[in-house]
Amino acid sequence: AQTVTQSQPEMSVQEAETVTLSCTYDTSESDYYLFWYKQPPSRQMILVIRQEAYKQQNATENRFSVNFQKAAKSFSLKISDSQLGDAAMYFCAYRGGGSNYKLTFGKGTLLTVNP
Amino acid sequence: GAVVSQHPSWVICKSGTSVKIECRSLDFQATTMFWYRQFPKQSLMLMATSNEGSKATYEQGVEKDKFLINHASLTLSTLTVTSAHPEDSSFYICSARDPASTGVSPLHFGNGTRLTVT
Repeated sequence: AQTVTQSQPEMSVQEAETVTLSCTYDTSESDYYLFWYKQPPSRQMILVIRQEAYKQQNATENRFSVNFQKAAKSFSLKISDSQLGDAAMYFCAYRGGGSNYKLTFGKGTLLTVNP
Repeated sequence: GAVVSQHPSWVICKSGTSVKIECRSLDFQATTMFWYRQFPKQSLMLMATSNEGSKATYEQGVEKDKFLINHASLTLSTLTVTSAHPEDSSFYICSARDPASTGVSPLHFGNGTRLTVT
């Protein structure tokens, strides 16, 4: 079974600074997808960024970027120029390839942004 | 964008009663929906996969007789917690797959339901 590990229960960052959230995963599949979701206090799940395993180029979405190391099975999220609105719980998630759309989530990292 | 509506957002029920949670896809037909459970400050744990017109597939350790899932139409899946007990108190989230979406992430999440059993 696939597992997703987030080793940082909590992280904090100063406003306008950069922070990196860690995620590792374990899988025997060659085709899969990785995601970072944000869950603010409203509990709504918001997709931040996604990465296809077959793509070597790291995904980027504005201030959010990932460092995808396939051989190491590592998928970290970098948030640049942190804003107060970035404060939330962040979940790393894995989805297998093919028609299986179910997600396996890590335990999450609670990010605090200090003004 | 695609919207998934979950109702109610918060429900309190007495121990021993049953409660139904609805998950609706408002602007697309969801052939597959997923039900997750989230304890406070913890991750989302998949409970079951709900396919329209067929029986739900439950994850290991989830009691299918306690958590009844019905996906009777392409826009509605329901989760019924039967004979609820305080340990069933949790946050329940559904997500729906939009088959018309060709993207990598065709899943859309509801806003969740906070269940408190007294």
